[in-house]
Amino acid sequence: EPEVTQTPSHQVTQMGQEVILRCVPISNHLYFYWYRQILGQKVEFLVSFYNNEISEKSEIFDDQFSVERPDGSNFTLKIRSTKLEDSAMYFCASRKGWETQYFGPGTRLLVL
Amino acid sequence: SQQGEEDPQALSIQEGENATMNCSYKTSINNLQWYRQNSGRGLVHLILIRSNEREKHSGRLRVTLDTSKKSSSLLITASRAADTASYFCATDLDRETSGSRLTFGEGTQLTVNP
Repeated sequence: EPEVTQTPSHQVTQMGQEVILRCVPISNHLYFYWYRQILGQKVEFLVSFYNNEISEKSEIFDDQFSVERPDGSNFTLKIRSTKLEDSAMYFCASRKGWETQYFGPGTRLLVL
Repeated sequence: SQQGEEDPQALSIQEGENATMNCSYKTSINNLQWYRQNSGRGLVHLILIRSNEREKHSGRLRVTLDTSKKSSSLLITASRAADTASYFCATDLDRETSGSRLTFGEGTQLTVNP
């Protein structure tokens, strides 16, 4: 069964460094998402992406964040200058039509 | 309170018992989805119920939706120790934008004791 994959599974970085989180959505899906989950908290929406552009973003998704679909398969989330409070699990999700979003296994980001 | 709130926050039962988790929300929805998360792991989609549906079954899972009360419940029958996980409801709001973000609740931590 096709699934969303994410790399790396874990990333440790120093405050102020740039990180790129990578996702490979399910191949025939059209809608792509990033969410995050700070430890012990609920899952929060960051951004949605459709037709090669951002369709919606939350207040969390400020100028330090960007997304890109550089080719036909990858979907990336870049954090330009990481802060301590960016430490979280980051989930990528994709959706074909209007319904089920399928999530990847997540990237655990730790900012020191 | 926020869109998508589950109760109870934590539930501990014995293997073989049924587990019921509830979710309430505030605005009109397109659909409501239940996800499961094992500790520190990814989100596994369990079941989706559309706003025009009242009940849905999948194996040992039964989901109900009451749009008049803006609430949903997830029932796991004949629970097993392997069902131990956090369960989240997520609402897909009724809107015309293509983004269609999911709004998650706080989750219910279910522990099934062998």
